[in-house]
Amino acid sequence: QVTLRESGPALVKPTQTLTLTCTFSGFSLSTSGMCVSWVRQPPGKALEWLALIDWDDDKYYRTSLKTRLTISKDTSKNQVVLTMTNMDPVDTATYYCARTDSGTYAFDMWGQGTMVTVSS
Amino acid sequence: EIVLTQSPDFQSVTPKERVTITCRASQSIGSNLHWYQQKPDQSPKLLIKYASQSFSGVPSRFSGSGSGTDFTLTINSLEAEDAATYYCHQSSSLPYTFGQGTKLEI
Repeated sequence: QVTLRESGPALVKPTQTLTLTCTFSGFSLSTSGMCVSWVRQPPGKALEWLALIDWDDDKYYRTSLKTRLTISKDTSKNQVVLTMTNMDPVDTATYYCARTDSGTYAFDMWGQGTMVTVSS
Repeated sequence: EIVLTQSPDFQSVTPKERVTITCRASQSIGSNLHWYQQKPDQSPKLLIKYASQSFSGVPSRFSGSGSGTDFTLTINSLEAEDAATYYCHQSSSLPYTFGQGTKLEI
């Protein structure tokens, strides 16, 4: 059974750095073809893809946020970490991690999401 | 960046109705188009991958079609539990993008 769970702070101040952790089970990121993505959703708005890391440690980022994002993995802990620097109120959103398969790059399993509010 | 435009944005429907949601891409994306269902306060769930392939466990009333720039999600014989927002997503090129969503009210 594949599960993913996001964890991190619910509240961050403007200009701070956000660190989110995705802890997963039921698959391994060392398996060829496996990937994990981060997707966010501002309240009442659409989904927005942020970053992807694959089994070979290749990393891809949303162009407009590339300078602020870092994605990494710890295969031994079954975790993927996303950091976003210089947080702003417009970054207030629910952040999801999702398993991605390199065959179609569809997001086939999602975590429950973690709501992050950026406010002073 | 590839822009995905869904229509309609909102639709009020009745049970047993047949519903069609369209997704148009700003450039050709082959069959690299996927559909998700998101119910209130839940995470999205994959319904259809690669334009027309049903994901495991998804009811057979959900189907997808299309290629290139025009895609369709069809729900046959709508059920009350299908009230949700539906999103299309392209994985043809980075950055991956989503449509703005279509909210179905039943």
